[in-house]
Amino acid sequence: GEDVEQSLFLSVREGDSSVINCTYTDSSSTYLYWYKQEPGAGLQLLTYIFSNMDMKQDQRLTVLLNKKDKHLSLRIADTQTGDSAIYFCAERTGNTPLVFGKGTRLSVIA
Amino acid sequence: GAVVSQHPSWVICKSGTSVKIECRSLDFQATTMFWYRQFPKQSLMLMATSNEGSKATYEQGVEKDKFLINHASLTLSTLTVTSAHPEDSSFYICSASGDTPYEQYFGPGTRLTVT
Repeated sequence: GEDVEQSLFLSVREGDSSVINCTYTDSSSTYLYWYKQEPGAGLQLLTYIFSNMDMKQDQRLTVLLNKKDKHLSLRIADTQTGDSAIYFCAERTGNTPLVFGKGTRLSVIA
Repeated sequence: GAVVSQHPSWVICKSGTSVKIECRSLDFQATTMFWYRQFPKQSLMLMATSNEGSKATYEQGVEKDKFLINHASLTLSTLTVTSAHPEDSSFYICSASGDTPYEQYFGPGTRLTVT
């Protein structure tokens, strides 16, 4: 079946950029997502990108998609302590349910 | 983004009792709702998908008689954990999508503890 892989941990200093990487196996993925989960909370949709796009930027967030390599990344510019959370990569094809990665725990050091 | 609420935020119940969790889409009509379960420090596990007015589709390994899902309206879905056991203790999260199916919004989650 489909698989989404992410590194489990990332630690950055406040003010630096964070880059969280994700790979997926389903070449027919239509939409790719980044969600943020803070402790004890649900998932917050940060951004999503269609598979026919290479890049999407939204304020401090930049999503890059390399469809050939099935690689998705999320760059957070000027990372703040409030960005500390778990970030989930997810993909879906058409109306199928989301397939999630295991999440990357981002720790921001002041 | 769209708002999805869940109630209660947390619940403690005794083994053998049933617990109902509500999921509401507050500012859009949710044609499809999803129920997930999340164990500590793990990813989300999809339990079932439900479309308004029809029976839920359960993922393999999820007991439909134990986890009853009702999606009676375009703004409300409920998950009832019947005859709860301690191993049912978990974080249950619902999500919903509407006319733009690629936009899927999540509720804040319900922490269930069965003693």
